[in-house]
Amino acid sequence: NAGVTQTPKFQVLKTGQSMTLQCAQDMNHEYMSWYRQDPGMGLRLIHYSVGAGITDQGEVPNGYNVSRSTTEDFPLRLLSAAPSQTSVYFCASSFPGNYGYTFGSGTRLTVV
Amino acid sequence: AQTVTQSQPEMSVQEAETVTLSCTYDTSESDYYLFWYKQPPSRQMILVIRQEAYKQQNATENRFSVNFQKAAKSFSLKISDSQLGDAAMYFCACGDNNDMRFGAGTRLTVKP
Repeated sequence: NAGVTQTPKFQVLKTGQSMTLQCAQDMNHEYMSWYRQDPGMGLRLIHYSVGAGITDQGEVPNGYNVSRSTTEDFPLRLLSAAPSQTSVYFCASSFPGNYGYTFGSGTRLTVV
Repeated sequence: AQTVTQSQPEMSVQEAETVTLSCTYDTSESDYYLFWYKQPPSRQMILVIRQEAYKQQNATENRFSVNFQKAAKSFSLKISDSQLGDAAMYFCACGDNNDMRFGAGTRLTVKP
């Protein structure tokens, strides 16, 4: 049982480049979310999904796109990377209700 | 959406002593859930304890317990018999049936 798998673990991008952060879970969780973690700011919600075909914006959605074509996968796309998107990105999943999220191990992204 | 405030950026405790981390939250939802997560230097997010808002009884998990004051929208974490391995960032979170929001975190140092 792999849990939540994020790839890659580290990435360096040049300003203006695009890329996709991958997230997959094998627990049949309905809920999936993307967070970014910056020093002193905790985890901020980027986008979330309550099921396949359903996505919604969180606190800081600008510059990011998501889609949820299957229950298992929830990729995060950076359309045109900016230095302000340098951060650690976490994907998380959960069943609805009081179960708490299971987190992936994170992706450290640096935009130069 | 929820907002979560952790007013203590850093806390310190002597090994074997007790420490309390503070958290306040705000939400317009009547059905919501509260969590404490631990993030050690490995960066992995670990669920410590969870509480359903409709339950009056405070949750307890071994050395970890909460003081949930619903009217005051307060959800503090008490760590008893602190151990060196408890040193980490601790995040308070509040979720409803759509998404979960985090506080900025408290860095806990445990002194031997």
